[in-house]
Amino acid sequence: AQRVTQPEKLLSVFKGAPVELKCNYSYSGSPELFWYVQYSRQRLQLLLRHISRESIKGFTADLNKGETSFHLKKPFAQEEDSAMYYCALSLPSGSARQLTFGSGTQLTVLP
Amino acid sequence: DTEVTQTPKHLVMGMTNKKSLKCEQHMGHRAMYWYKQKAKKPPELMFVYSYEKLSINESVPSRFSPECPNSSLLNLHLHALQPEDSALYLCASSLGQGMTDTQYFGPGTRLTVL
Repeated sequence: AQRVTQPEKLLSVFKGAPVELKCNYSYSGSPELFWYVQYSRQRLQLLLRHISRESIKGFTADLNKGETSFHLKKPFAQEEDSAMYYCALSLPSGSARQLTFGSGTQLTVLP
Repeated sequence: DTEVTQTPKHLVMGMTNKKSLKCEQHMGHRAMYWYKQKAKKPPELMFVYSYEKLSINESVPSRFSPECPNSSLLNLHLHALQPEDSALYLCASSLGQGMTDTQYFGPGTRLTVL
C-alpha cells in the first residue's frame, strides 16, 4: 500500500544548526513527492516539489529511490522556520491525482 | 488572483443546523478538493472534483454534501453534523493535469459543532 512515513513527530534544533526532516515513502511506481509547510495560523503552503529540484527558503530535498526517501534539509536553521512540515506523495486516482500526507513533523528552532 | 479563498473563516453550528462552506479560485484550475484536518494531524482527503465532476469520494458520511457549480467554485453543504466533525476544513485546487500536478490550499474554515 502507498504510504508516507515521517518518523519524527517533534524536532528541535538551535538557530544556525543544520536541520533534516525525514520522509520515507512506499510506492511501487515512479513517485511524485512534495513538501508542504504550515506556519502557525497560516494556510498549508507548498515548499518544494521533487520534480523542480529547487531550493526554497534555503531548504532542499533530494529523492533517493534506492532508500525510498525524500528528506528535507537546511544547512542553517532560522527561528522563522518553526512550523509543521508535511511530506506528501501524489498518486493517480481516476481522472485526478490525490495527495497522501505523512503524519507531519513539528519543527522548533530555538534561539 | 493567485490564491484559493474560503468563506467563512469560522463557523459554529448546532447539530440540527444546515450550513455551507464556500471555496473559490480564479487560477484556471480544473481540479478542486475538500480536506478535513484535525489539530496536529495531516489533512485527510474527502472529495475531489475534476472538470466539475465528482472524481473521488473517500467514504465520507452523507451529512457532508459537495457541490461544484462551476470550475471556479466549490461548496460543501453541511447537515446534521456531529461534534466529532469539528475540524479545519481545507479547500485546494490544481491544474488537474499531469504527474506534476500541484495542489494549492486555501486558509480553511474552522468548524465547531456544538
